[in-house]
Amino acid sequence: DAGVIQSPRHEVTEMGQEVTLRCKPISGHDYLFWYRQTMMRGLELLIYFNNNVPIDDSGMPEDRFSAKMPNASFSTLKIQPSEPRDSAVYFCASSFSQGRGNQPQHFGDGTRLSIL
Amino acid sequence: KNEVEQSPQNLTAQEGEFITINCSYSVGISALHWLQQHPGGGIVSLFMLSSGKKKHGRLIATINIQEKHSSLHITASHPRDSAVYICAVDKTSGSRLTFGEGTQLTVNP
Repeated sequence: DAGVIQSPRHEVTEMGQEVTLRCKPISGHDYLFWYRQTMMRGLELLIYFNNNVPIDDSGMPEDRFSAKMPNASFSTLKIQPSEPRDSAVYFCASSFSQGRGNQPQHFGDGTRLSIL
Repeated sequence: KNEVEQSPQNLTAQEGEFITINCSYSVGISALHWLQQHPGGGIVSLFMLSSGKKKHGRLIATINIQEKHSSLHITASHPRDSAVYICAVDKTSGSRLTFGEGTQLTVNP
């Protein structure tokens, strides 16, 4: 089991650039979550998908953020244009529910994003 | 006031000590999670529980639904237990996790 795979591990870019973060969930998992972690706000849920469909995006900070899940094995989180306040660690997590209610989430190693 | 509060924020212990980290919440929940985040940044799910007690190795998690309180205990603590421990709840209103601010645990040899 490869676990949740995120790429890149680190990203440094200049303000105004487009940033794309990628996530491959554990095969067979039906839920996928994107989180952001900062010193000031801790861990926050941005958006989550169930069976590739976005269910709750109320945590997405503003229109500059968008997330897609074109298939069960891939998701992206895009920031355009990026700003210094977007600097954070972004985590992707997945879980297997299939109607069994809440289940433990498996986290990727995160992407450390720095916007200069 | 945060919906999920942890105490203490920081905890330093000597190797071998019994450790308790507390989590209180103010919302209706369907489950509570304890997560561990190591200095390298990776997050691992330790427990998910909705009632009673769970044990895994030297770790024990308990929850009291009536009192809206959970504790994470570490027996015979070891320096490798040094990490941030995060309490998170699944609110009954949805599948979103709401997180506590975390407890930084340092176990000295």
